[in-house]
Amino acid sequence: DAGVIQSPRHEVTEMGQEVTLRCKPISGHDYLFWYRQTMMRGLELLIYFNNNVPIDDSGMPEDRFSAKMPNASFSTLKIQPSEPRDSAVYFCASSLAGDTGELFFGEGSRLTVL
Amino acid sequence: QQQVKQSPQSLIVQKGGISIINCAYENTAFDYFPWYQQFPGKGPALLIAIRPDVSEKKEGRFTISFNKSAKQFSLHIMDSQPGDSATYFCAASMSFNDYKLSFGAGTTVTVRA
Repeated sequence: DAGVIQSPRHEVTEMGQEVTLRCKPISGHDYLFWYRQTMMRGLELLIYFNNNVPIDDSGMPEDRFSAKMPNASFSTLKIQPSEPRDSAVYFCASSLAGDTGELFFGEGSRLTVL
Repeated sequence: QQQVKQSPQSLIVQKGGISIINCAYENTAFDYFPWYQQFPGKGPALLIAIRPDVSEKKEGRFTISFNKSAKQFSLHIMDSQPGDSATYFCAASMSFNDYKLSFGAGTTVTVRA
């Protein structure tokens, strides 16, 4: 079974550039989450969707961050313009409502902003 | 600030030993307490979870102990193996289907052969 698929796995960019991270959730899952992991702040929930609708984006750090889920099998997290402090590993996770509550994480996208 | 405080930050244990990780929380509305395991270069994966209506849950060599009155819970890894070397995160949420998990800072466990 395919798990959560994220791309790119690694991204190095320069400050001011636009960054787009992509996620394909597990087929049939109706919740999708974007997390950010850093040494300083640990795992932070940025935003999550239910049935493609954003439910809670209170964790999105600022207007430079935006997330979309145009359909059940695809989501993007965009940072524009990027800054060095955005350097982190970004995880996408999916889950199935009414199940055990388990989150299934992708392998992450490591972003480095120079 | 983190709603779940986790300690220690790291620990080293010999093969066959016991690893113990502790977590504490303040929000009494928390009702679901999972533990996630993360290997380098991978995403976290659910290891074991507990509800506050039980004081202990065991799955293989992994045991969660829960103390509701003290608002603390812990993970014990018995007979630790080199393959257990990973970062462990405790977490909490209002219920198993409340997806706003608050994660602890993580504990890196190294098991020496």
